[in-house]
Amino acid sequence: AQKITQTQPGMFVQEKEAVTLDCTYDTSDPSYGLFWYKQPSSGEMIFLIYQGSYDQQNATEGRYSLNFQKARKSANLVISASQLGDSAMYFCAMRGWGDKIIFGKGTRLHILP
Amino acid sequence: EAGVVQSPRYKIIEKKQPVAFWCNPISGHNTLYWYLQNLGQGPELLIRYENEEAVDDSQLPKDRFSAERLKGVDSTLKIQPAELGDSAVYLCASSGTSGINEQFFGPGTRLTVL
Repeated sequence: AQKITQTQPGMFVQEKEAVTLDCTYDTSDPSYGLFWYKQPSSGEMIFLIYQGSYDQQNATEGRYSLNFQKARKSANLVISASQLGDSAMYFCAMRGWGDKIIFGKGTRLHILP
Repeated sequence: EAGVVQSPRYKIIEKKQPVAFWCNPISGHNTLYWYLQNLGQGPELLIRYENEEAVDDSQLPKDRFSAERLKGVDSTLKIQPAELGDSAVYLCASSGTSGINEQFFGPGTRLTVL
């Protein structure tokens, strides 16, 4: 069975610091994809970054990067130079066989001025 | 390009009443998803459509929930009768068929059952 685990319910980070949000996953599928979404208080889920299980390099999108460690089954999101607007819920998700997608419980990130 | 549209944004009903949510996906997106999101939790898939076919409805409580996507475009999710535990946010998302097929989400419908 597929599973996503986000162990940090909440985090407080000073503005301009880097932050790492943890995500571990479990799957027996040989091919899968990992996603990170941001959900501000407005409620809309915003796609941030994607990592395919066969991608050789870690994904990067602007200030977002994904620290993908396949052997450890982890896909941590790194946000560099955090901004006040980064305060939100962050969800890790995985798409596996049959395009089934599951989400973790999320991490609430608070950026402090 | 317009995003995923959902209506209504908010709905308050009494238990045992019926309720319906509507979703219009991004133009050209063949795959449509309905999710339920409880407070402080991640979204949980209720049903996934490929065009007009429901390809995954294993998590849909079929005794009270139903969904349709008759022409393979917009979709309706219905609850009848609603229960107190159905209070949640109902999210609709769509994805295309190229690239990584990331999902684009609508703003959601917040349902409160009294």
